[in-house]
Amino acid sequence: AQSVTQLGSHVSVSEGALVLLRCNYSSSVPPYLFWYVQYPNQGLQLLLKYTTGATLVKGINGFEAEFKKSETSFHLTKPSAHMSDAAEYFCAVSRDSGGYQKVTFGIGTKLQVIP
Amino acid sequence: EAGVTQFPSHSVIEKGQTVTLRCDPISGHDNLYWYRRVMGKEIKFLLHFVKESKQDESGMPNNRFLAERTGGTYSTLKVQPAELEDSGVYFCASSQLLAGSSEQFFGPGTRLTVL
Repeated sequence: AQSVTQLGSHVSVSEGALVLLRCNYSSSVPPYLFWYVQYPNQGLQLLLKYTTGATLVKGINGFEAEFKKSETSFHLTKPSAHMSDAAEYFCAVSRDSGGYQKVTFGIGTKLQVIP
Repeated sequence: EAGVTQFPSHSVIEKGQTVTLRCDPISGHDNLYWYRRVMGKEIKFLLHFVKESKQDESGMPNNRFLAERTGGTYSTLKVQPAELEDSGVYFCASSQLLAGSSEQFFGPGTRLTVL
């Protein structure tokens, strides 16, 4: 079984401030970890993913996340928030099932960027 | 290249009526997934097709939901009869049939409101 916990359903940051969105997971096998973003009226877009190898993963739009196995965490960060980062962010976990995956999502975190 | 498309974008129906949602995956993607997000809750897996075959339908809520993927191309999800608790956003995703972490590409979703 696998699960995802996102701490904070709403996060507000000032423009230019650090963005930190927290995610903890549980998985009985080595997981694949993802962060997705959903802008208003759009579908989910993959920001970044961790599969194997380097634990610090860089994604699009300046975001990155670090896989910490000992803490079962995969927090998303961005050094400087931009107004265009306002969106809903989803942490997710899955495992390979032979060519396909059943993704388990967290509840989502809405990020507000204050000018 | 066209992304995953879903139709309609919004649907408002009355309890007891029937609604059919359609998903057109990315061309060449054998994996097709349906997910649902009830307001305020996580995005949850409903089912998964490999080509025209249902591989995993463990997330389907009950027998009022019927998914099909005739010919292994587009998929439909029918709800009959609809109940109030079926309201939510229904997402479709597709991916290539590859070992490892094949990225799932999501459509914009269909927002279903049952009155």
